[in-house]
Amino acid sequence: GDSVTQTEGPVTVSESESLIINCTYSATSIAYPNLFWYVRYPGEGLQLLLKVITAGQKGSSRGFEATYNKETTSFHLQKASVQESDSAVYYCALGLQGGRALIFGTGTTVSVSP
Amino acid sequence: EAAVTQSPRNKVAVTGGKVTLSCNQTNNHNNMYWYRQDTGHGLRLIHYSYGAGSTEKGDIPDGYKASRPSQENFSLILELATPSQTSVYFCASGDRFNQDTQYFGPGTRLLVL
Repeated sequence: GDSVTQTEGPVTVSESESLIINCTYSATSIAYPNLFWYVRYPGEGLQLLLKVITAGQKGSSRGFEATYNKETTSFHLQKASVQESDSAVYYCALGLQGGRALIFGTGTTVSVSP
Repeated sequence: EAAVTQSPRNKVAVTGGKVTLSCNQTNNHNNMYWYRQDTGHGLRLIHYSYGAGSTEKGDIPDGYKASRPSQENFSLILELATPSQTSVYFCASGDRFNQDTQYFGPGTRLLVL
């Protein structure tokens, strides 16, 4: 079936360190799904962080990057130097097109210490 | 700016009671969704709608009903609340013309005692 697996948290990193959150997907009902990273800051709802709809392309936002890798079915999220304000829960998600609901990973809680 | 709002933000209910969670969107999107989010699980789809008057079952619909009286409003109804429905509920809107991008509300934290 269609599913998303991401790094289990919690993940703790120090400010200015690098961060990578792994995400792999399985899409059996569609060859080229749309891929998303959403973020949930404390006390807030989910916000779209970035999305990529074309295999091989990279998306970026707020210093985060993720590349749509069709060969390894991965969409890892990376940031070279995190800030305390990046503390949040990050969700990788799969879109099967046509307006159907997204399929989410379990979320990765990231805590950035000063 | 696109906006999805939910009410209430927090709710304490008793077992067996009726709970209604409301969602309003000003995005003019056709599709709306209700998810719940529990520790160790991703967001799981409860019900969704393709437009006013339509509701569809998602992956975990048991114990929930949904109502879409208008383009803007989508409600989730727990007729007989149970402690297992204690969770955080998110509403979202989206449409197929926007590459599946969904816009989420701030969430409703429900505690069923």
